[in-house]
Amino acid sequence: DGGITQSPKYLFRKEGQNVTLSCEQNLNHDAMYWYRQDPGQGLRLIYYSQIVNDFQKGDIAEGYSVSREKKESFPLTVTSAQKNPTAFYLCASSIGPGGTGETQYFGPGTRLLVL
Amino acid sequence: AQSVAQPEDQVNVAEGNPLTVKCTYSVSGNPYLFWYVQYPNRGLQFLLKYITGDNLVKGSYGFEAEFNKSQTSFHLKKPSALVSDSALYFCAVRTRAMDTGRRALTFGSGTRLQVQP
Repeated sequence: DGGITQSPKYLFRKEGQNVTLSCEQNLNHDAMYWYRQDPGQGLRLIYYSQIVNDFQKGDIAEGYSVSREKKESFPLTVTSAQKNPTAFYLCASSIGPGGTGETQYFGPGTRLLVL
Repeated sequence: AQSVAQPEDQVNVAEGNPLTVKCTYSVSGNPYLFWYVQYPNRGLQFLLKYITGDNLVKGSYGFEAEFNKSQTSFHLKKPSALVSDSALYFCAVRTRAMDTGRRALTFGSGTRLQVQP
């Protein structure tokens, strides 16, 4: 988990509320990623960013939004449009495209629960 | 379609015995393959990767994996299992979308390894 921090560790969301998950890295990596993990399933890509001020939708982007204003930070907002947000959210980063640079390193995760 | 499969939901092995966690893949071009381990309520930890070169890749904590191109497999192995190896293991393959050029890791569904004392 070293070099990538996620906060909070647990987050509770009320109906109709937007919540933001924080992800910070000090690895000087260009690329950052958000994944969702549900029990019995692998990780699914929500959004990714290859460079500052640019980000792309992953496989399950609906109901989520991101920003990438700084190289170190890639916050994820879970909006009220996401009807089933309860999951474990993982942030990752990598050096960038090409060969060994595509190894992703993960933060400790945030568990989001709906009240 | 580009994908990765882990055919076993759970693998049970006695401490001291060798272990194998299976992974098969389907990608176009040369595969980039990865293994990660996840302990309860934690993020994924990188174990090892195959990009190119020797088919036998050595990684962290005594784990190794064998790349087999003809069988499109990348099985994770360890000669002697420890109780502390009990965790959830994920295989991943780097995929690249033909239309957008998007590079991403596609993960298998995970295999739970249980090492009994």
